[in-house]
Formats: sequence, C-alpha cells, structure tokens
Amino acid sequence: GENVEQHPSTLSVQEGDSAVIKCTYSDSASNYFPWYKQELGKRPQLIIDIRSNVGEKKDQRIAVTLNKTAKHFSLHITETQPEDSAVYFCAAVNSGTYKYIFGTGTRLKVLA
Amino acid sequence: SQTIHQWPATLVQPVGSPLSLECTVEGTSNPNLYWYRQAAGRGLQLLFYSVGIGQISSEVPQNLSASRPQDRQFILSSKKLLLSDSGFYLCAWGGTSGAYEQYFGPGTRLTVT
Repeated sequence: GENVEQHPSTLSVQEGDSAVIKCTYSDSASNYFPWYKQELGKRPQLIIDIRSNVGEKKDQRIAVTLNKTAKHFSLHITETQPEDSAVYFCAAVNSGTYKYIFGTGTRLKVLA
Repeated sequence: SQTIHQWPATLVQPVGSPLSLECTVEGTSNPNLYWYRQAAGRGLQLLFYSVGIGQISSEVPQNLSASRPQDRQFILSSKKLLLSDSGFYLCAWGGTSGAYEQYFGPGTRLTVT
C-alpha cells in the first residue's frame, strides 16, 4: 500500500548548524510533496512544498529537494535557531485522489 | 481569505458515550476536507477525506464515521467511544483542480475516560 518513510525520528543539532530530514514514498502517482512544522500542542503548519516537475525549492533558510526517480525528498534547514525546534512531517500527495500520506514525523531539537 | 473552524476545542467524554466533532471552512467553495487523529506524541493518522458533498472515503475501519451535509461542513461522529479514541483530532481543508495545499484547523483535544 501507500507509504511514506521518514528519517530520522529524532534529531538534535547545535544552534547555527544545518538539519536534514529525509523521506521516501512508494506511490508513483504522488506529484506534490509538502512539509509541515508542528509545535507542541498546536496544529501542523505548512512551511514549504515542492511539485514533481521541480527538483529544488528554497525559501530563506529552508529548502526542499526532490529526486522523483528514486522517490526521495528531503528538507534542509540551515543556520538553525531554537525556534526551529518542533516536529516536522513530510507528506506525499496523490495527484488523482488528493489523498495525503504523511511520514511518521521528526522531532528536531536545536540546542542553544 | 480562508478560515477553518473546529469545535469544541477540548472534550472529556466517558467510554461508551457518543461523539460529534464539527469542522467548517469559510472563504472557499468545494474544498477537499480531511479528518486526522494524532495520538499523544505520534504522527497524523488519516481517518476520512471528502472530495464533495456526500462523498466520503474511509481510511480506518473502526467505530468512527464522517458526514458532509454541506459543502463546507465536515462532521466526525461515533456512537460509542473507546479509550483508544483519545487524541488530537484535526480537520483540514485543501484545494482542488491542481491546488494541493492543505491547511489544518486548530484541532479538538479529546480525552476518553
């Protein structure tokens, strides 16, 4: 069935360092790949996304890369700050059904 | 601009009692609508999604059901709650016609005692 694997489950980095979270999807019909940030007790917030016809997208300190052949996509956060600490979820979206398959989440801790 | 509402914000219910959670969206028409459940410290479990009035896809066979009586209203129900139904229930809306972005409501925190 459809599945999205996300690694690592937890990640600790020093403030100012970079963080990378990786996801792998199985549904070949996926063509949209969003990333969400969820702070404790709050709703997930969309932070960046990428479509299958694009290999990379950047927005200030965050970037997402997509390798459609390998079915891999990754979130890159540079110059991490304490406020980046949260749980991050990736997702793959089927272009026909609009069904979201989420990864299991990565808890990022940025140590000051 | 679009706004999504959920209520109630928190709920404490005894085992075996019924449940009704409501979600409404403003500022858009014919949205895709989704119900997710998040257990404490866990990921997002898709429960139901709807691409139109009366069209509900169920992802998890359990004691929950969903209905979409109006274009921008999505309701999650149960006749008898289980302890395992405790969690953070999130409604989300998304676009159609190639607009895949999905936005979450504020959520309902349900505790079944």
